[in-house]
Amino acid sequence: QQPVQSPQAVILREGEDAVINCSSSKALYSVHWYRQKHGEAPVFLMILLKGGEQKGHDKISASFNEKKQQSSLYLTASQLSYSGTYFCGTERGNTDKLIFGTGTRLQVFP
Amino acid sequence: NAGVTQTPKFQVLKTGQSMTLQCAQDMNHEYMSWYRQDPGMGLRLIHYSVGAGITDQGEVPNGYNVSRSTTEDFPLRLLSAAPSQTSVYFCASSPRTGAASGANVLTFGAGSRLTVL
Repeated sequence: QQPVQSPQAVILREGEDAVINCSSSKALYSVHWYRQKHGEAPVFLMILLKGGEQKGHDKISASFNEKKQQSSLYLTASQLSYSGTYFCGTERGNTDKLIFGTGTRLQVFP
Repeated sequence: NAGVTQTPKFQVLKTGQSMTLQCAQDMNHEYMSWYRQDPGMGLRLIHYSVGAGITDQGEVPNGYNVSRSTTEDFPLRLLSAAPSQTSVYFCASSPRTGAASGANVLTFGAGSRLTVL
């Protein structure tokens, strides 16, 4: 069952912040975040392995609330290069298959 | 190091024709998978394999067959193409030694765009 992402789309000016949410109706073991530029393949951003964990990647960070089966991706001081579609992927076990959400399209304008 | 290689990049088929999308990886990854991407639907898992000789169904397996005779190759077969199979297809692989080791990260191929008329 696909995790649900919100919002579906975000439009930002450079320097603004955004939050993308990912929620599942099933218990989760881990959450992945990937970014896909137009016409390209998805590229890995980060993986969160346990409840309450927060990770960072430059000015992009994420949290994982295991009890609520939710993850959030935080983009601060957005740059033009942040534009793309963001996908969360969820695993229910240590070696489970990865199921992706429906994606959030992020556009950053000067 | 080529990573994950998909062929062809583009293909146009007529309804009822068959074809195989090829996927090869040179990273000795145990896990390989196929996704299809459609507007508004995200990436949906078609089939996956945790090693040579082992395959399993994903979220949308109907109309597709797979096999895994070697660690390197994981072809996706469409036996009788339908317009609903018009999509962009991605093959992805990972070491799959366990999420706890951070080794379940997927490496994607460049994608194959398929149009069925």
